[in-house]
This record gives sequence, C-alpha cells and structure tokens, in this order.
Amino acid sequence: GAVVSQHPSWVICKSGTSVKIECRSLDFQATTMFWYRQFPKQSLMLMATSNEGSKATYEQGVEKDKFLINHASLTLSTLTVTSAHPEDSSFYICSARDSPYGYTFGSGTRLTVV
Amino acid sequence: AQKVTQAQTEISVVEKEDVTLDCVYETRDTTYYLFWYKQPPSGELVFLIRRNSFDEQNEISGRYSWNFQKSTSSFNFTITASQVVDSAVYFCALRPDRFNKFYFGSGTKLNVKP
Repeated sequence: GAVVSQHPSWVICKSGTSVKIECRSLDFQATTMFWYRQFPKQSLMLMATSNEGSKATYEQGVEKDKFLINHASLTLSTLTVTSAHPEDSSFYICSARDSPYGYTFGSGTRLTVV
Repeated sequence: AQKVTQAQTEISVVEKEDVTLDCVYETRDTTYYLFWYKQPPSGELVFLIRRNSFDEQNEISGRYSWNFQKSTSSFNFTITASQVVDSAVYFCALRPDRFNKFYFGSGTKLNVKP
C-alpha cells in the first residue's frame, strides 16, 4: 500500500530557531499534500494544503509567514516552523492523496520548543 | 457546515468486553466519505475504514464492525471482545467529496484494562 514517510519523528528546538519537517510519498506521486496540527488531547486540524509547484493554501487563522510550506517535487513537501516558540509545540502530521479516494497519513512529528 | 461529533471523550472497559464508539456527523453535501482512524500512543494514524455516503451497508472486519445510518447521521464503531492492544484514541472523520479536507471529530480515548 501507499506509504508516507515523515521525518523527524520528534524534535526539540530552542525558542527562536526554525525547524523543518519533511513529508515524503515513497511509492506514489502526490501532487497534493496536507499538513495537520494536533495539540495534546485534541483533534487534528488542517493547517494548509500543499500543492506541487505552486503556493500552499492556508486555513483561516494559520500564519503563512510562520509556517512555511514548500512542495518542490511530486514526492516531497516540507513544513518549516520559523522562529518557533513554546506555543508552537505540537504534533504535526502530513497526509497525501494516493488515489481518488485514498489518503495516507505520515507517522507524525512531535515538536517541542524549549 | 461540516462537523463531526464524538461525544465520548474517554471510555474504559475490561478486556473481552464489547465497546461502541459513537460518531455523529453534519454535512449538507450529498456525496461524502466517512472514516475511522486509530491513533496509538506513538501518534501515527492507522486507517480502519472508509465508507461513502451511498453505501449504508454495515461492515464487519474481524472484531471490528461499523454501523452507518444516514437517517441519524451516525457512523458508529464497535469492537467486540476488546483487547488491551485496542487501547488508543479513535477518530471519526468526514470528507465531503468536493473537498480534499478531512473534518475530524475530537476523538475517543479507549482504555482496555486486563
């Protein structure tokens, strides 16, 4: 089946630094990928839709300049959290459309900003 | 509006008990898909089932079964003879056909005690 690899699985960074999270589709091409955020004991909320070769579409309330998304190839989308702060600590998970009806999720990245 | 409600925040059962997780959804779309995902402590989302709005047939897969009723906008999930390994957070999700976006419920944490 379709596999989406997300890296790193967890990361700890200092406040004010930037951190990049990668999302790769391993055995299929993904023109569209999705980035979700999950606060502890809460549900997943879509942050943005990443489109290969074009700008990402952000959900209302998500800061574009803080959460930079790049989808430079059909198998890779990256999310960069810029100038991270403790309130950005969260679980970030990506998803890719692998068929007309199928969406595969990555294993997630737990970000802790100290 | 699109919305998924999982009223049960947390459920605790003893191994071998049957347990039903409730899911109620709201949508005005006529074509949509409903999903159940399992999220173990490690964080990844494990796909369990997808149902489209035109298929109200109930489904059974091993110890798992799903009851989809459009009349009550519900898509409930039953685990028969629960096991400790079933302990996880379970999410119900809705995806209208015209969107790539998933609308997740708030999740139900299932604790299965030995």
